[in-house]
Amino acid sequence: GQNIDQPTEMTATEGAIVQINCTYQTSGFNGLFWYQQHAGEAPTFLSYNVLDGLEEKGRFSSFLSRSKGYSYLLLKELQMKDSASYLCAAMDSNYQLIWGAGTKLIIKP
Amino acid sequence: IAGITQAPTSQILAAGRRMTLRCTQDMRHNAMYWYRQDLGLGLRLIHYSNTAGTTGKGEVPDGYSVSRANTDDFPLTLASAVPSQTSVYFCASSEDSNNEQFFGPGTRLTVL
Repeated sequence: GQNIDQPTEMTATEGAIVQINCTYQTSGFNGLFWYQQHAGEAPTFLSYNVLDGLEEKGRFSSFLSRSKGYSYLLLKELQMKDSASYLCAAMDSNYQLIWGAGTKLIIKP
Repeated sequence: IAGITQAPTSQILAAGRRMTLRCTQDMRHNAMYWYRQDLGLGLRLIHYSNTAGTTGKGEVPDGYSVSRANTDDFPLTLASAVPSQTSVYFCASSEDSNNEQFFGPGTRLTVL
């Protein structure tokens, strides 16, 4: 079957660094997406990885290991506005996204 | 219109009633999607369309139907609503099926 696992909730301190992990099992693989979703709002696209390695985009970086079925999202210099849910999604061989349940990130001052 | 819009924003519906959720995008994206989001679960794909004139079933299609008569519009119809269809519904679009998806603001539907 197809499955995405990510922690339900994480807590971090303003100004710190946090890493949100995601493991996936899909029928075929066409890339790994990370989205941010603030409470009551729509998901917004953060990053896409299809090759192994680290992609950096400002304070956010995303890493992929295809052989391990593993990705992480790294958030640096945390700000209160980063409090949100972070959704991991893997694209399968039919180009459909399989979504994790999301990781709720709580930032404390 | 800028991006992707959905209507209504929220709706309370009696069980057994028919309901159509509307979705319109102005980005000329080929692919469109309908998801439902329930607490503790990931987004689940209901139906999708890779291009105007074609549609496909997602993970949870039962009780829902869609049409894609043109590029911009992708309505989702509940023929006879049931309480288990209470959810937040998101419409999304992407340039093609292998690109990042852009989401509408969502419709919060309650079926009583």
